[in-house]
Amino acid sequence: QITLKESGPTLVKPTQTLTLTCTFSGFSLSTTGVGVGWIRQPPGKALEWLALIYWNDDKRYSPSVKRRLTITKDTSKNQVVLTMTSMDPVDTATYYCVVGTTVTTGFDYWGQGTLVTVSA
Amino acid sequence: DIQMTQSPSTLSASVGDRVTITCRASQSVNSWLAWYQQKPGKAPKLLIYKASSLENGVPSRFSGSGSGTEFTLTISSLQPDDSGTYYCQQYITYWTFGQGTKVEIK
Repeated sequence: QITLKESGPTLVKPTQTLTLTCTFSGFSLSTTGVGVGWIRQPPGKALEWLALIYWNDDKRYSPSVKRRLTITKDTSKNQVVLTMTSMDPVDTATYYCVVGTTVTTGFDYWGQGTLVTVSA
Repeated sequence: DIQMTQSPSTLSASVGDRVTITCRASQSVNSWLAWYQQKPGKAPKLLIYKASSLENGVPSRFSGSGSGTEFTLTISSLQPDDSGTYYCQQYITYWTFGQGTKVEIK
């Protein structure tokens, strides 16, 4: 059974750096084709892909926020960490951790999401 | 960037109706297109991948078609549990979602 769970602060101040951790089970990020990523959804709005890291440590970032993002993995701990700098109130959103267990399937498993509010 | 546009933004239909949602890409994505269903307060759920492949466990009343720039998601006989918001997503170049289609049951 594949599960993913996001953890991190629920409230950050403007200009601060957000660090989110995705802890997963039921698959290995060492398996060829697997990618773990982050997607966010502002309240009442659509989904926005942010970043993804592959089994081979290849990384992809959304061009719109690339300068602010870093994604890393710790295969031994089954964790993926996303950091986002210079947080702004417009970054208030539910942040989801997702996995694509093959390169052909899109994101076939999602975490429950964690709401991050950016406010002074 | 590849832009994804869904239509309609909202639709209201009765139980048993055939429902179609359209997704258009700003450039060809071949068949690298997925559909998701999202219920309020929940994470999205994968329904269809590679434009027409049904994810395991998804009811067969859901189907996807299309290639290139135009795609459709069809629900052959709308059920009460099908209410929610549906998103298309391309994954040929990075990952981009449409703006969503909210499906309501009359």
